[in-house]
Amino acid sequence: AQSVTQPDIHITVSEGASLELRCNYSYGATPYLFWYVQSPGQGLQLLLKYFSGDTLVQGIKGFEAEFKRSQSSFNLRKPSVHWSDAAEYFCAVGPPNTDKLIFGTGTRLQVFP
Amino acid sequence: EAGVTQSPTHLIKTRGQQVTLRCSPISGHTSVYWYQQALGLGLQFLLWYDEGEERNRGNFPPRFSGRQFPNYSSELNVNALELEDSALYLCASNWGRAAGTEAFFGQGTRLTVV
Repeated sequence: AQSVTQPDIHITVSEGASLELRCNYSYGATPYLFWYVQSPGQGLQLLLKYFSGDTLVQGIKGFEAEFKRSQSSFNLRKPSVHWSDAAEYFCAVGPPNTDKLIFGTGTRLQVFP
Repeated sequence: EAGVTQSPTHLIKTRGQQVTLRCSPISGHTSVYWYQQALGLGLQFLLWYDEGEERNRGNFPPRFSGRQFPNYSSELNVNALELEDSALYLCASNWGRAAGTEAFFGQGTRLTVV
C-alpha cells in the first residue's frame, strides 16, 4: 500500500540549531516527493520537490532534502533554524498528479529562542 | 497576483445542517482541488475539478459534493453535517492535467460542527 510516514509528531529545537524532519514512504513506482510548510493561519506552501536527478534538493527558506531510495526516505534539513520556521511540515509522495498525492500526518516544529 | 482565496475563513454549524465553502483559484488556473485536514489525519483528498468537470474524488461519502463554475471558481458542499466533519478544508489550484505542476493552496476554511 502507498503511504507516507512522518514519525515525529512534534519537534522542539532552539533557534540556531540544526533541524532534520523525517519522512519515510512506501510507493510502488518512482516517487515524486514534496515537502510543504503550513504556518499558523496560512495555507500550505511548497518548500521543495524531487522528481529526478540530483538526490539532494534545495528549496526555499534555506531548506534542503535528500532522497535516499535504499531507505525510502526524503528527510528535510536546515542547518540553522529561525524562530519564523515554527510551523507544521508535511511530506507528500505520489505521481505528478495533484489529486493522487499522499500526505503524511505532519510534524509540528516549535522553536525556542 | 492574488493567490488562492477561500471563504469563509471560519464557520460553526450544527450537526445535520448543510454548508457551502467557496474557492477562487489563481488567475489562469483551470483545476481546483479540495482537501480535508482533520486533526491528526493529515490531508485527505476530497475532489478535483478541471474545466468545469469532476475529474476525481477521494474516499468520502456522497454528501460531500461540489462544482466548478465557468470562471473556474469552485464550491464544496457538505450535507447532513456530522461531528467528524469538523476540519480545515483546503482548496488548491494549478494548471490541471499538465503533470507535475505545483499546486498552490489557499488558507483554508475552518469548519466546526457542534
